Amino acid sequence: GDSVTQMEGPVTLSEEAFLTINCTYTATGYPSLFWYVQYPGEGLQLLLKATKADDKGSNKGFEATYRKETTSFHLEKGSVQVSDSAVYFCALSDSGGSNYKLTFGKGTLLTVNP
Amino acid sequence: KAGVTQTPRYLIKTRGQQVTLSCSPISGHRSVSWYQQTPGQGLQFLFEYFSETQRNKGNFPGRFSGRQFSNSRSEMNVSTLELGDSALYLCASSFSGTETQYFGPGTRLLVL
Repeated sequence: GDSVTQMEGPVTLSEEAFLTINCTYTATGYPSLFWYVQYPGEGLQLLLKATKADDKGSNKGFEATYRKETTSFHLEKGSVQVSDSAVYFCALSDSGGSNYKLTFGKGTLLTVNP
Repeated sequence: KAGVTQTPRYLIKTRGQQVTLSCSPISGHRSVSWYQQTPGQGLQFLFEYFSETQRNKGNFPGRFSGRQFSNSRSEMNVSTLELGDSALYLCASSFSGTETQYFGPGTRLLVL
């Protein structure tokens, strides 16, 4: 079945540091890929998405590129801020199939210190 | 446009009771999905509804059930609550189920 593996956290960075959170996936068909962010006490917010190979999703300085050859969708940001502290989830949706669900990684807790 | 809303936001129940959670999707969205989030198991898919029909169900016992109404609002019910049902229950909506899902703030359920 479909699965998502993302790097174990927690990740602790200083403000303005470079961020990478690795995400790899296993899926049948042609999945769409997503990064969601969860702030303390809240639900999930869509951060960015990519629907086909080589697509780059971007939002609020975050970027991720859909790499079919390496089955990866790594999240990057050039300069993190304290306000980026949250849990980040990589997810896939098998848009070519009919299971109508998201499969999530276990999440990576990011803490950014001033 | 209003986002996904979930009620109640917090709930405390005791073992053996039942609970009903409600979700109102974004206007125009006809697909509603439910997920359970726990520290140990992470985010797990419960079920998905479209036009009042359940199209997919996750690997949860029959104590977990749901339904969707003609206005796309959805409810999920958990009967005979167990301590392990303590979790954040998230609802998500999308136009037809195959596009981006937008999440509500969740209902935090504590079973004592």
